[in-house]
Amino acid sequence: RKEVEQDPGPFNVPEGATVAFNCTYSNSASQSFFWYRQDCRKEPKLLMSVYSSGNEDGRFTAQLNRASQYISLLIRDSKLSDSATYLCVVIRGTGNQFYFGTGTSLTVIP
Amino acid sequence: DTEVTQTPKHLVMGMTNKKSLKCEQHMGHRAMYWYKQKAKKPPELMFVYSYEKLSINESVPSRFSPECPNSSLLNLHLHALQPEDSALYLCASSQGTGGQFGYTFGSGTRLTVV
Repeated sequence: RKEVEQDPGPFNVPEGATVAFNCTYSNSASQSFFWYRQDCRKEPKLLMSVYSSGNEDGRFTAQLNRASQYISLLIRDSKLSDSATYLCVVIRGTGNQFYFGTGTSLTVIP
Repeated sequence: DTEVTQTPKHLVMGMTNKKSLKCEQHMGHRAMYWYKQKAKKPPELMFVYSYEKLSINESVPSRFSPECPNSSLLNLHLHALQPEDSALYLCASSQGTGGQFGYTFGSGTRLTVV
């Protein structure tokens, strides 16, 4: 079973739409969780950390559900500039290796 | 501008060549990483250096040889590569050795093996 599973999409949504991505992880010892954004032919960039209490940054909300072992990212009022691949990342507690999901491709359409 | 600097940005090399990729960060991070990313795939971990010592080698072929000369520099020496090694090679660093603060990635070296 993969360490991290993510729906690859693609998600094609109109401007202004709300879109949600989910990601599941297999190891209950995982302790740190992140969402990264990667534009075409660029490096991944940290979007936000994910906490059990949930965290919000403007139009972006991230949530962690430890019981069900999944993390989510909600994007409200989508902008054209949100078009990218969104990667969920999980760190297992015993080390510092990042485990990446396969990434979800988002295209926001005018 | 990224705080992790990778050079060169692009590299084309033959299968008999020897080349090196370089990575530098001045954020005082004590863990540094090499990742390989193929098109439309997530980054795959290759090596982890923690306090300048190799702590993880994800069974990478010996034609890839990492080196950490000091806490700010990380190199990846390449020799006798194969065309399937063509990929984006990403360097990253993290503040803690537990990665709990997230990674900062360099912009990568796009490698083509001919």
